[in-house]
Amino acid sequence: NAGVTQTPKFQVLKTGQSMTLQCAQDMNHEYMSWYRQDPGMGLRLIHYSVGAGITDQGEVPNGYNVSRSTTEDFPLRLLSAAPSQTSVYFCASTSYNEQFFGPGTRLTVL
Amino acid sequence: SQKIEQNSEALNIQEGKTATLTCNYTNYSPAYLQWYRQDPGRGPVFLLLIRENEKEKRKERLKVTFDTTLKQSLFHITASQPADSATYLCALSYNTDKLIFGTGTRLQVFP
Repeated sequence: NAGVTQTPKFQVLKTGQSMTLQCAQDMNHEYMSWYRQDPGMGLRLIHYSVGAGITDQGEVPNGYNVSRSTTEDFPLRLLSAAPSQTSVYFCASTSYNEQFFGPGTRLTVL
Repeated sequence: SQKIEQNSEALNIQEGKTATLTCNYTNYSPAYLQWYRQDPGRGPVFLLLIRENEKEKRKERLKVTFDTTLKQSLFHITASQPADSATYLCALSYNTDKLIFGTGTRLQVFP
């Protein structure tokens, strides 16, 4: 099993650009989530999904959209990037309360 | 809202000693508490989960305690090794799969 995979590993955007961070898992987990990690702030929940077709907002959802058309994939979209969205983004899937994290995407918005 | 406090200062200990990390929370006790390890440039990795009705949980050299009166969890690594150097995150959950994470404590084990 590949576990949780994320692409790209690094990305630089200009303010106002849009992009999609990809996340996929091959463990057939229903629950998936997106976090951002900033220095001194810890991991903060952006959006989560309890299964295909169902998504909900977390603690910091503004500026981000998600969709869940399949169990495997949970992409995160930035509609109009802002410098405040410079961060490291982690995707995770959950089974029996244990979260499995991807390797992260380091995003810089200029 | 719930607040989780982990010591933001790095913990430096000598190889072979026991490392003890602290996680304090406010408000009501969570259904369960988890500890994760995170290495630089990588995603967190699950270590241990302890439920509110459990006092202690062990896994190899790791031990977690959960005191709902003190609103505190302690994470111990016995016989610490340089390979244990990492940041350790505490996370709480309230009967859902949603986790609230602390900011983590960096542990440095030197030979």
